Amino acid sequence: SQQGEEDPQALSIQEGENATMNCSYKTSINNLQWYRQNSGRGLVHLILIRSNEREKHSGRLRVTLDTSKKSSSLLITASRAADTASYFCATDAAIGAQKLVFGQGTRLTINP
Amino acid sequence: EPEVTQTPSHQVTQMGQEVILRCVPISNHLYFYWYRQILGQKVEFLVSFYNNEISEKSEIFDDQFSVERPDGSNFTLKIRSTKLEDSAMYFCASSETTSGRREYFGPGTRLTVL
Repeated sequence: SQQGEEDPQALSIQEGENATMNCSYKTSINNLQWYRQNSGRGLVHLILIRSNEREKHSGRLRVTLDTSKKSSSLLITASRAADTASYFCATDAAIGAQKLVFGQGTRLTINP
Repeated sequence: EPEVTQTPSHQVTQMGQEVILRCVPISNHLYFYWYRQILGQKVEFLVSFYNNEISEKSEIFDDQFSVERPDGSNFTLKIRSTKLEDSAMYFCASSETTSGRREYFGPGTRLTVL
C-alpha cells in the first residue's frame, strides 16, 4: 500500500480557474506538507498543515486536512501560467519514522 | 529564507565509478536526509542522519551507499560503484527537529550513470 497518493495524476485548466488536487494517506501523521516541483527542478515547499489543524491558507493556496478520512486537498485559486508544475504531498508518520513519504504527484498544466 | 545547497548540480559518471554528492545543510539544523527521484517518479527516502549516525534508512540504501558529515558544515552521500539504475535526482534536506518539522530541501544533484 502507498502512503500519500494524489489525484488526479494530471490536471489541465485555463488560466484564472481554480485547481484542486487531493492527497490520501494510510497511517496516522504528524504533519502533511505540499511541495511544488517545476520540471526537472528542486522541491519548493508550499505549506505545512499539522494533524490538529483543519485548514490553512497562504496567499492563493488553501489546504485542508481531514484526519478522519486521511485526506488533504490543495486548492490554488485564480491560477496563473507560472503555477504549471507537479505538486506532491508528503507525510511524516505520527510515531517513530523520521522520513517524509511522498505521493506520486499531480501534474498541473495551466493553459493561457 | 535559509537555504540548503548541493554540489554539483549535475554529475555524469561511468557505471562502476564512485561518486560523492555534497550538501551543505542549514547551519542550526540537526537532522539531515537524502532522498532520490528517478525521472518521472515520486521522491523516495534514502536515509536520515542525526548525531553523527544513521537514524533510519530505506531498503534502497544498501551497502553501496554511505553518508558522512566530515566537518561541521558538509553532509555527503557516497555511491561506491554506480549502476545504471542509480541515475536520478538526489535531494538533500535538513530540519531543526524530527517531530512536527518542516524539511528544507536543496536544489538537487542530477546524477547520470552511463
